[in-house]
Amino acid sequence: GQSLEQPSEVTAVEGAIVQINCTYQTSGFYGLSWYQQHDGGAPTFLSYNALDGLEETGRFSSFLSRSDSYGYLLLQELQMKDSASYFCAVDYNNDMRFGAGTRLTVKP
Amino acid sequence: GAVVSQHPSWVICKSGTSVKIECRSLDFQATTMFWYRQFPKQSLMLMATSNEGSKATYEQGVEKDKFLINHASLTLSTLTVTSAHPEDSSFYICSALQAGASSYNSPLHFGNGTRLTVT
Repeated sequence: GQSLEQPSEVTAVEGAIVQINCTYQTSGFYGLSWYQQHDGGAPTFLSYNALDGLEETGRFSSFLSRSDSYGYLLLQELQMKDSASYFCAVDYNNDMRFGAGTRLTVKP
Repeated sequence: GAVVSQHPSWVICKSGTSVKIECRSLDFQATTMFWYRQFPKQSLMLMATSNEGSKATYEQGVEKDKFLINHASLTLSTLTVTSAHPEDSSFYICSALQAGASSYNSPLHFGNGTRLTVT
């Protein structure tokens, strides 16, 4: 099966940049996704990497390196509202498997 | 656009009773819907994949007779937790994939989840 590893918790201050890593032991997937989930809420889509390299969407960027079995989500200009859990997920074409999630706490 | 409505948002039931959770795609058709279970501060664990007009595909370890899934239309999938027990208490979330799309070219759209408490 697949195994996705993320740090369980990350803390950063407002305005800073934070990188959340996702390493995996799987193959044959179409892409790596990132989702944000606030406590008690629905996960919302942030970014998707089908190819190696960097994808930028506003303050959020995501990176994938298949050769290194590694990806990350980069959050810039952190805001208090960014405090949430972030999940990476591998996509096996209509079969999405999620990592354990990283809880980001943004402090003033 | 791409709104998924899940109902109820929370439910408390007695042990031994059944609970039905609805997942509706409001502004798009979804041939495929997914049901996840999430324990506090943990990941989303896929329970089953629901395809319109056919039987759901359950993940290993998920009892299909306990978690009944019906996907009778392109906009509605239901999950029924039968004979619920306290260990079934959890956060259940559905997601929908737009008809004609694949997960590699279209993100999943999630419902707001249902918090089930079995007493």
